[in-house]
Amino acid sequence: GAVVSQHPSRVICKSGTSVKIECRSLDFQATTMFWYRQFPKQSLMLMATSNEGSKATYEQGVEKDKFLINHASLTLSTLTVASAHPEDSSFYICSAVQGNQPQHFGDGTRLSIL
Amino acid sequence: GENVEQHPSTLSVQEGDSAVIKCTYSDSASNYFPWYKQELGKGPQLIIDIRSNVGEKKDQRIAVTLNKTAKHFSLHITETQPEDSAVYFCAASLSAGGGNKLTFGTGTQLKVEL
Repeated sequence: GAVVSQHPSRVICKSGTSVKIECRSLDFQATTMFWYRQFPKQSLMLMATSNEGSKATYEQGVEKDKFLINHASLTLSTLTVASAHPEDSSFYICSAVQGNQPQHFGDGTRLSIL
Repeated sequence: GENVEQHPSTLSVQEGDSAVIKCTYSDSASNYFPWYKQELGKGPQLIIDIRSNVGEKKDQRIAVTLNKTAKHFSLHITETQPEDSAVYFCAASLSAGGGNKLTFGTGTQLKVEL
């Protein structure tokens, strides 16, 4: 149980393109979803916390107009990187939580902006 | 806010030996301490967690100990196998689940050599 699916796993696109990443909880309803960013050989940095039907809460320094989060249902959250540039290249990972259970992570999306 | 330190950053052991990874945290209000294993190109996978009402928890070859007074907790892996090779992250949170954020350590690259 507690499977989190993230799609796509890899994106390569040109600078200026907007990219959407999906995070789905497959076998449970996620009350909260989190979005992280991870640079090579570094730890996970929390970008935002997302609750179904409400606006995401962004961490300090994360541009909400750049990283648009939508949490339309209890099983789906999306992260859109608007007008992506090379410095946005990174590994983006989501996690999902049901009630008082631990966070379970997706397998991440490798974003490469040329 | 919470700060989690993790040591060592790299650890190399012979197959069959034990591995120990240590973490310290700063916020005495933290009550939940999960450990995640991350393989290359994948998302973190929860391997064990402990809540502050217990001092030790074991699951087959993996154990975690917690010293709330000293604000440190450790991961112990016995009889290591090559498939244990990965990056391990400790984390701390006020509580499991809900909108409680995880603060991650900096990670330990474990290599199990044949």
